[in-house]
Amino acid sequence: RKEVEQDPGPFNVPEGATVAFNCTYSNSASQSFFWYRQDCRKEPKLLMSVYSSGNEDGRFTAQLNRASQYISLLIRDSKLSDSATYLCVVGSQAGTALIFGKGTTLSVSS
Amino acid sequence: GAVVSQHPSRVICKSGTSVKIECRSLDFQATTMFWYRQFPKQSLMLMATSNEGSKATYEQGVEKDKFLINHASLTLSTLTVTSAHPEDSSFYICSARDPTESSGNTIYFGEGSWLTVV
Repeated sequence: RKEVEQDPGPFNVPEGATVAFNCTYSNSASQSFFWYRQDCRKEPKLLMSVYSSGNEDGRFTAQLNRASQYISLLIRDSKLSDSATYLCVVGSQAGTALIFGKGTTLSVSS
Repeated sequence: GAVVSQHPSRVICKSGTSVKIECRSLDFQATTMFWYRQFPKQSLMLMATSNEGSKATYEQGVEKDKFLINHASLTLSTLTVTSAHPEDSSFYICSARDPTESSGNTIYFGEGSWLTVV
């Protein structure tokens, strides 16, 4: 079983749509969780950290379910500029490397 | 601005030659840096953990004699792809943590290096 699994998509949605991405991780000892965004041929950039209590940043909402080892990202009112690959990322403890999912590709069209 | 700088951003080399990629932390001293590789439409895969002043820790399946890592200072780690072959063509990217940040969870990435071996 892969350490971090995501549906690769692609998700093709119109502007203004709401889209949700899911991710599961295998290491129950994982302590930190993130969503990164990666544009084509660029380095990944941190979108948001994910906390057990859930957190929201504008149109983006992330949630973590430790019992199910499941992470989600919800994007509301999609913009053309949201088109990218979204990477689910998990860390086991501070100071260690992050483990990346394969990414979910989102394409927002007008 | 960037806090981790990677160079070169793109490099084309002939098969059999060696290529060195540099990763520098600009605003902090990084005792640990991480090297990833990403093939097209694939995830970032951790290759090795670079430790300042000691040997790198390689992930399973990564040849340490082929991918030489040197972390001689607190701000610089280098990855040398030796005797490169076309199958080594990939996106190589480094990352580092700022140890002074209390959470210890913020990872900074370099801009990445596109290697093409012809």
